[in-house]
Amino acid sequence: GNSVTQMEGPVTLSEEAFLTINCTYTATGYPSLFWYVQYPGEGLQLLLKATKADDKGSNKGFEATYRKETTSFHLEKGSVQVSDSAVYFCALSNTGTASKLTFGTGTRLQVTL
Amino acid sequence: GAVVSQHPSWVICKSGTSVKIECRSLDFQATTMFWYRQFPKQSLMLMATSNEGSKATYEQGVEKDKFLINHASLTLSTLTVTSAHPEDSSFYICSARGTGAGLAGRSYNEQFFGPGTRLTVL
Repeated sequence: GNSVTQMEGPVTLSEEAFLTINCTYTATGYPSLFWYVQYPGEGLQLLLKATKADDKGSNKGFEATYRKETTSFHLEKGSVQVSDSAVYFCALSNTGTASKLTFGTGTRLQVTL
Repeated sequence: GAVVSQHPSWVICKSGTSVKIECRSLDFQATTMFWYRQFPKQSLMLMATSNEGSKATYEQGVEKDKFLINHASLTLSTLTVTSAHPEDSSFYICSARGTGAGLAGRSYNEQFFGPGTRLTVL
């Protein structure tokens, strides 16, 4: 079956530091990959996605590249801000976001001044 | 746009009682809603998928008689935890996808998530 493994948190960084949150997956076929973000008190929001190998998803300065050879989809940002403090979830789906999403456990990011 | 609300945001109940959680799409028609549960430090696990006007489809291992899902309108789905026990304590999250002006510019296939409901059963 499908599974997603992401690094445990919390991750604490100073503002303007470089961020990497690792995500690896196991899946049948060719899944689509997603990163969701959950800000305090809010629902999960789609941050970015990639639907095929070597695709790069990007949004709000965050990037992630679909690496089929390493079954990875690591999230990166060059310079984090305090407002990026949130919980980040890696997820996959075999048929787009409409169908069953398999989530990682989430990684809490805390950015300090 | 694409706002999904849940009510209540947290609830405490006694063992043996039933609890109803509401999930509403505020600015679009939710043709499909999904219910997830999340234990501390664990993944969101899909419990069931419901299409408006149809019976919910439950994931393997989820008791349909214990977790009653109703999706009677295009803006409301409810999850009722019947005869709740302490092991049912969890964080319950709904999501929705659909159509409507509130989704302008978004993919029809994208799921929009509610903020979650924390259930504690004593």
